[in-house]
Amino acid sequence: KNQVEQSPQSLIILEGKNCTLQCNYTVSPFSNLRWYKQDTGRGPVSLTIMTFSENTKSNGRYTATLDADTKQSSLHITASQLSDSASYICVVRRSNDYKLSFGAGTTVTVRA
Amino acid sequence: DTGVSQNPRHKITKRGQNVTFRCDPISEHNRLYWYRQTLGQGPEFLTYFQNEAQLEKSRLLSDRFSAERPKGSFSTLEIQRTEQGDSAMYLCASSLPLGPSYNEQFFGPGTRLTVL
Repeated sequence: KNQVEQSPQSLIILEGKNCTLQCNYTVSPFSNLRWYKQDTGRGPVSLTIMTFSENTKSNGRYTATLDADTKQSSLHITASQLSDSASYICVVRRSNDYKLSFGAGTTVTVRA
Repeated sequence: DTGVSQNPRHKITKRGQNVTFRCDPISEHNRLYWYRQTLGQGPEFLTYFQNEAQLEKSRLLSDRFSAERPKGSFSTLEIQRTEQGDSAMYLCASSLPLGPSYNEQFFGPGTRLTVL
């Protein structure tokens, strides 16, 4: 069973609207959690990183939250733009380990 | 561009042929990783190098796959006798040594392999 589960699998939103993506993980012991944006045919690019003590982190119109007690994270996209169309991948790192646990991603499609 | 680069970006080959991909990491990064990503899935770890030493290989890396990093800089991933199931995006990433939790793996653009 994957240690990082994301939902929804995909979503379609209208330009200018907001959306929230979910990530639940079981990775332990926890080091940090990143959200990556992956454009079609490109490699993933980091949007935010949060460690155990951080509950929220923003990067422009992207805001990530982390609840380390419930092992849940969310990524909120505000005032979506067409360029936000991509796959968003939740990635969790275990302490003292280089390995990353990847979610399957949420594919976001923003329509005009 | 000083990011991770990969070549070729796309490769179409016939079943049974050998293919080789190249990854050039960020220059000061001594750690290099190979991943495979299939459609609709997150990347899956294949192997990892620290300098020229290959320190771990996933069970996904069958004996048809071999990776090298001869001088601790660029790396190559070779797939022999390709099968249709090898069709995927092959991603390379690099990072600084394990240390602060913020040490990020920076990904290249990937090589898309299609086996006909």
